[in-house]
Amino acid sequence: NAGVMQNPRHLVRRRGQEARLRCSPMKGHSHVYWYRQLPEEGLKFMVYLQKENIIDESGMPKERFSAEFPKEGPSILRIQQVVRGDSAAYFCASSPEKTWEGRGEQFFGPGTRLTVL
Amino acid sequence: DAKTTQPNSMESNEEEPVHLPCNHSTISGTDYIHWYRQLPSQGPEYVIHGLTSNVNNRMASLAIAEDRKSSTLILHRATLRDAAVYYCILRKTANAGGTSYGKLTFGQGTILTVHP
Repeated sequence: NAGVMQNPRHLVRRRGQEARLRCSPMKGHSHVYWYRQLPEEGLKFMVYLQKENIIDESGMPKERFSAEFPKEGPSILRIQQVVRGDSAAYFCASSPEKTWEGRGEQFFGPGTRLTVL
Repeated sequence: DAKTTQPNSMESNEEEPVHLPCNHSTISGTDYIHWYRQLPSQGPEYVIHGLTSNVNNRMASLAIAEDRKSSTLILHRATLRDAAVYYCILRKTANAGGTSYGKLTFGQGTILTVHP
């Protein structure tokens, strides 16, 4: 079984450009989470999505960032007008539709490392 | 959010057991204790979780204090491939949009170095 896939693995953008990060969850998983890891820091939750719905975006910056998980295709994290402070590793995780209480294991992808010049 | 406290770093020799401690004095009754690890340049990987009782799986063991205010991840025989950052996380159940789901809040973790 293929794991969580993210692409691109590395992305370089200049200030003001747009960055699009893609995440394909594991087969059979309909829950997707995005996390950001700034240099020398731990992972910070950004957003949780189910198919076609944003459930929790409490960790998402209010401006320039958006996420979607369409009925068909991968989840997309979009960053408009990138700034140097957006340089980070962005990880996507997925979990199955039915996760019994407590287990809630999330399966992480390898991440996309965004560098803003 | 309930917070966890871990040592910044620990060292071990290959083939020896490793005990990674975690304090979570403000844990609530419904919080599950999860451990993830992150190898260099990779995404986090689930290791183990528990609620009240000690747990064992093929990767590790989790010992949970009776008052649940602390726990210890035990790697029985460390290998070089176990060198990673280990995160102790209190998994809270959040509710939004009519959905109950687990929310992971990562701290700084413990950097484990394994010497040959």
